[in-house]
Amino acid sequence: AQKVTQAQTEISVVEKEDVTLDCVYETRDTTYYLFWYKQPPSGELVFLIRRNSFDEQNEISGRYSWNFQKSTSSFNFTITASQVVDSAVYFCALSASIGGQNFVFGPGTRLSVLP
Amino acid sequence: DVKVTQSSRYLVKRTGEKVFLECVQDMDHENMFWYRQDPGLGLRLIYFSYDVKMKEKGDIPEGYSVSREKKERFSLILESASTNQTSMYLCASSLTLAASRDEQYFGPGTRLTVT
Repeated sequence: AQKVTQAQTEISVVEKEDVTLDCVYETRDTTYYLFWYKQPPSGELVFLIRRNSFDEQNEISGRYSWNFQKSTSSFNFTITASQVVDSAVYFCALSASIGGQNFVFGPGTRLSVLP
Repeated sequence: DVKVTQSSRYLVKRTGEKVFLECVQDMDHENMFWYRQDPGLGLRLIYFSYDVKMKEKGDIPEGYSVSREKKERFSLILESASTNQTSMYLCASSLTLAASRDEQYFGPGTRLTVT
């Protein structure tokens, strides 16, 4: 069975602080994909990043960065110099295809960035 | 831009009613998905479809059925609505038959209340 854990239910930070959202996953598949999605107050989930299980290179996109570590089954997301517009619910997700298609989302982390 | 639209943002139905939730995508995507989103549980997959008339059960298919008669349209059907089906329903689509690899594009959601 596959599982995604996001232990932080809610996080509040003050604008310009850095914040890391944790994601831990479980899978027995050797080929899998990890995703982060953002759900702003408007409700529509927006794709942020995808990583496959063979690519452990960290990625940076502007103020966003992702740290993928297979050794700890983690795919953490850091926002540097947070802004009020970063306030949203963030979901980590896992998908694999061995034994049938599987798509699993974590419970989400609600991030509030205060001015 | 990919656009995924859902027929209603808000819906109120009575227990025992048959409910249809409609989803349309305009980018010729192969795969379409129905999720429900509940607080603390994240998104849970109900059904997905990888081709016209093809469907696969997700994690929580009980009480639901789906229909995909045209590539762009994916319907979720609650045969006899119950109060425990009160939830936010999200439709998504993804591009290729390698469904596990692709990011998903989400609609705005339908908040269904069953009284």
